[in-house]
Amino acid sequence: ETGVTQSPTHLIKTRGQQVTLRCSSQSGHNTVSWYQQALGQGPQFIFQYYREEENGRGNFPPRFSGLQFPNYSSELNVNALELDDSALYLCASSQGQGGREQYFGPGTRLTVT
Amino acid sequence: GQQLNQSPQSMFIQEGEDVSMNCTSSSIFNTWLWYKQEPGEGPVLLIALYKAGELTSNGRLTAQFGITRKDSFLNISASIPSDVGIYFCAGDSQGAQKLVFGQGTRLTINP
Repeated sequence: ETGVTQSPTHLIKTRGQQVTLRCSSQSGHNTVSWYQQALGQGPQFIFQYYREEENGRGNFPPRFSGLQFPNYSSELNVNALELDDSALYLCASSQGQGGREQYFGPGTRLTVT
Repeated sequence: GQQLNQSPQSMFIQEGEDVSMNCTSSSIFNTWLWYKQEPGEGPVLLIALYKAGELTSNGRLTAQFGITRKDSFLNISASIPSDVGIYFCAGDSQGAQKLVFGQGTRLTINP
C-alpha cells in the first residue's frame, strides 16, 4: 500500500509569482484535503476535494485554488504569492466524503522571498 | 471560528516518566484525532476517537474523548526517546473531516 506523496519537497518563489503543489493520495482513498502549517503552528485547513469536486473550504482567499483528478491525485495552486504564504503545505487523504481518518504526506516547504 | 486550546505547550521529562496532555474546545466535536509530527515530516495519526467517553489505546498511548465532547486527553506511559516530537490534537464538528488543529505540545525527553 502506497502512502501519501507530495512534490516538490522544497520550493523557493518570489513574491507575486504563482506556484503549483502536487499530491498523490494513498491507494484506495478518494478524498484529499490541503492544509497550511506556519512555523510553530498547527495545520490550518485550506480546502478538501472529494470525487473531483471541492467539498468545503477554510478561511483562505480565492488565490488559493485546487484540482482533483480522476485518479484522485490533487494540485494546490497559489497565485500572486505573498511573503506570508511561506509555510509547510500538507496534503492528507481519506476514504469517502465522511472519511474520518486523514493520513498526511510529508509536505512541501514553500519559501516566498 | 473554531479553536482548540492544547496544553501544555511544551514538556521536558525524564525517560520512563508518564506524560499527559489535553485539548479543549469552545464547541462540540464529533471526532477527535491525535497526531505526532517530527521535524521535516507530516503528522502521523496515532489515535482516532468517535464517541463521547470513548477510551482507546495504541501501545503505550491512551486517548479519551471527553464526555462533554469539548475535550480530549492523551497519555503516554513509560516514555522513551523516540516519543520526542510535537503532538497535535485535531477535531471535526462537521462530519466531513475538515479538521481543526491545536497548537501542539512539544515533548522533549532527557535520557
